[in-house]
Formats: sequence, structure tokens, C-alpha cells
Amino acid sequence: SYVLTQPPSVSVAPGQTARITCGGNNIGSKSVHWYQQKPGQAPVLVVYDDSDRPSGIPERFSGSNSGNTATLTISRVEAGDEADYYCQVWDSSSDPWVFGGGTKLTVL
Amino acid sequence: QVTLKESGPVLVKPTETLTLTCTVSGFSLSNARMGVSWIRQPPGKALEWLAHIFSNDEKSYSTSLKSRLTISKDTSKSQVVLTMTNMDPVDTATYYCARIIEDWLGLDYWGQGTLVTVSS
Repeated sequence: SYVLTQPPSVSVAPGQTARITCGGNNIGSKSVHWYQQKPGQAPVLVVYDDSDRPSGIPERFSGSNSGNTATLTISRVEAGDEADYYCQVWDSSSDPWVFGGGTKLTVL
Repeated sequence: QVTLKESGPVLVKPTETLTLTCTVSGFSLSNARMGVSWIRQPPGKALEWLAHIFSNDEKSYSTSLKSRLTISKDTSKSQVVLTMTNMDPVDTATYYCARIIEDWLGLDYWGQGTLVTVSS
């Protein structure tokens, strides 16, 4: 089955740029979606189809995908961005809904 | 506005069957290109996909849990039901339902989740 690999944690100072990666075999050929989950809350879609933003998501959130790595970029990080972030793809093999292990973003 | 809400028991005993209901509003389960997925999250752990049902009634299950899961929908009631048999303490988790957008196979709206504890 397809595997997505995320770093367990990323730390960034307020106002800086955070980059969270999601690795997978030839992930660039798939559509990658990103979810933000704050403590005690349900996940929220922040980027879909590699780089599109749902309505209501700040422009500070952007995504890219190429080769074996997809990246969620959060510009001008704020304290309120502190959360767990999960990438997800659809894979036509055994288990179609594949989530990464999640990355905890800490705002220093 | 689109909402999904999970309901079901908060506590089940080992070996019992869990039945969870996802009641949706703001869209119809008969809408083309929209489905519902169930995902769970053990305390402190990552998201784990369980099952989905598409608008055309196509269903799919996690291979590791397939023998224990059944998903169905009642369009007239705007409900999607997930049953999981032979519950075990390792199944203790928050269970979420989420709307699938079949055009890009992602989950655009999620329910608040319901914590299910398996204990005798």
C-alpha cells in the first residue's frame, strides 16, 4: 500500500515561514490535500488539489507538489497556526485513502 | 451550510458491535459526486481511514478492518451508518465522518467527531 511520510514536528518563530513536507513515491503524479487539526477539534481542509485553497482559508497557506515531495507552506506564521497537519492522497491500490502520520507545528 | 454530525454510544464493551450514525445537512446524499467517509483517530495518534460510500453507492473498506465493517446510507434520512463488529480496547478512538468531493477525492467538511471508549 502507498505510504506518506511527514516529519513529526516543525518549529518556527512567529512571522516566519513554515514548510511541512509529505513524501511519497512519485507523489507528484497524485493530488495532495492538507488538513489542519487543532487540539480537541476536527480536521479542517486547508489546501486541496496540491495548491488550491477552500474559501475562508488565508492566502498565507499554500501548497506545491513535485517529484517525491509535496509541501505545505505557511507564510507569516501566527500563534493560531499551531496545530497538527496531515497530508492525504487517493491511491487506487488496496487502501485508497492514505494519510500521512501528521506533523506538529510549534510556533516558538 | 454543510454540516455532518456523528452519533452513537460513548462506551462499548469488548466483543460488542458499534453502530455509528452520521447525519448530514446542507447537501443531499443523492448529490452526484459527493460521498461520505469514516475516519478514526486513537488518542494522540494519526488519522486512520475506515470506509467510504460514494454517490453511486460504491463502497470500500480498510483492508485491515474489512471483515468487521459495514457502511450504508439512507438518503431519505440524510444518514450514513457504520457498523464495526467485535470491538476491542484498541478500537478506542474518536470517530469522524467527512464529506467526500469525488472530483478530487478529498474531504472538505468533517463532523465534530465522537469519542468511543471500549472497556468492560
